[in-house]
Amino acid sequence: EVQLVESGGALAQPGGSLRLSCTASGFNFSNYEMNWVRQTPGQGLEWVSNISTSGRRALYADSVKGRFTISRDNAKTSLFLQMNNLRVEDTAVYYCASGRFCADGVCNTAAYFQKWGQGTLVIVSS
Amino acid sequence: DIQMTQSPSTLSASVGDRVSITCRASQTTRNWLAWYQQKPGKAPKVLIYEASTLETGVPSRFSGSGSATEFTLTISSLQPDDAATYYCQQYNEYPWTFGQGTKVEIK
Repeated sequence: EVQLVESGGALAQPGGSLRLSCTASGFNFSNYEMNWVRQTPGQGLEWVSNISTSGRRALYADSVKGRFTISRDNAKTSLFLQMNNLRVEDTAVYYCASGRFCADGVCNTAAYFQKWGQGTLVIVSS
Repeated sequence: DIQMTQSPSTLSASVGDRVSITCRASQTTRNWLAWYQQKPGKAPKVLIYEASTLETGVPSRFSGSGSATEFTLTISSLQPDDAATYYCQQYNEYPWTFGQGTKVEIK
């Protein structure tokens, strides 16, 4: 069974830091690009960050660029999001989600979010 | 950034009705568009990708159509389990963006 399990969400103060984790099982994690997607309370969905299968390439939404860092550990089938200089507007449920499947250096075109975790809640408030 | 606009924002229909949700993009997404269903307290679930391809395991009453900047999600015969919020999402170019959502209610 495919599973993505996020953890690390908590209450943090503005300017503070948090590190989110996502542990994957049931599929070949190292062959998938991975993403973080967030959803603000009562609002819609926002893509936050994407990382390549090797971890060497990362992309960020402008709203988090320079403050958040995505990383992965394929040996531990884990994805991470280091969140620094947190703002009130970062308050959201954070989901990890799978992206494109890649093999032998070639990725398919299926960049949509096929597999999702259950989410972890981050609250930024003083 | 590509802006995605869904209509309507809310839709109320009866069991058995045919319902459609429209998603318009501010510039072409080619066919790189997905539709998701989200129920309260749950993660989104993909229904359709590449504008019209049904994800494995999704009931055939869901279908997607359209191309370039205008797309439609259709539920051919609305069921009670379809009460949810539906989102479109483009993955043609970064940053990937979502529509604001359409809440489907059962009368």
